[in-house]
Amino acid sequence: DSGVTQTPKHLITATGQRVTLRCSPRSGDLSVYWYQQSLDQGLQFLIQYYNGEERAKGNILERFSAQQFPDLHSELNLSSLELGDSALYFCASSGAGSRPYEQYFGPGTRLTVT
Amino acid sequence: DQQVKQNSPSLSVQEGRISILNCDYTNSMFDYFLWYKKYPAEGPTFLISISSIKDKNEDGRFTVFLNKSAKHLSLHIVPSQPGDSAVYFCAASEGGGADGLTFGKGTHLIIQP
Repeated sequence: DSGVTQTPKHLITATGQRVTLRCSPRSGDLSVYWYQQSLDQGLQFLIQYYNGEERAKGNILERFSAQQFPDLHSELNLSSLELGDSALYFCASSGAGSRPYEQYFGPGTRLTVT
Repeated sequence: DQQVKQNSPSLSVQEGRISILNCDYTNSMFDYFLWYKKYPAEGPTFLISISSIKDKNEDGRFTVFLNKSAKHLSLHIVPSQPGDSAVYFCAASEGGGADGLTFGKGTHLIIQP
């Protein structure tokens, strides 16, 4: 158990809809990262937040947005969903402990867009 | 353009022998490298990391070697155990590990009894 929790575990929705994925980082971690894993693209970095502020952006679409709240949990919002958005979405956190730069991953949310 | 490449989609090794997983990268700005292990239906699990100022890091049965001039790293698992069967991902970062990671596509390691 990495200490990172993600909800929901599975999500099925229709094209054009909007969903919110939630992540709670490990205790003490200030950084939260979001990744997308699709069959053809592998694991792709989407966005990073550090202590409530956006820190780095990767291959995140404009239809996607994220935020990190004062209690450090994070939400990834996906809107105007398309079939190609079906993927596993992972959250990771880092910062606490003796290994501040190792990212610890949650179990993921599997999104299916029909 | 793939900046981190794992050219072997799968690797089969006998139990007790050494498993060697390889990874190549093209971005010379990468300065921190990590290996993750992933079982089906779970998130990636951190295994071992190495900074670009080192050429070797060891943790129990796992050793990572970094050859900066060749832009190549490898993960050695000795001895290989049945529980090591999983997909292994190589990842790299430009920000000393503090930024988002760039992942390879993974190598599926199968340990044969």
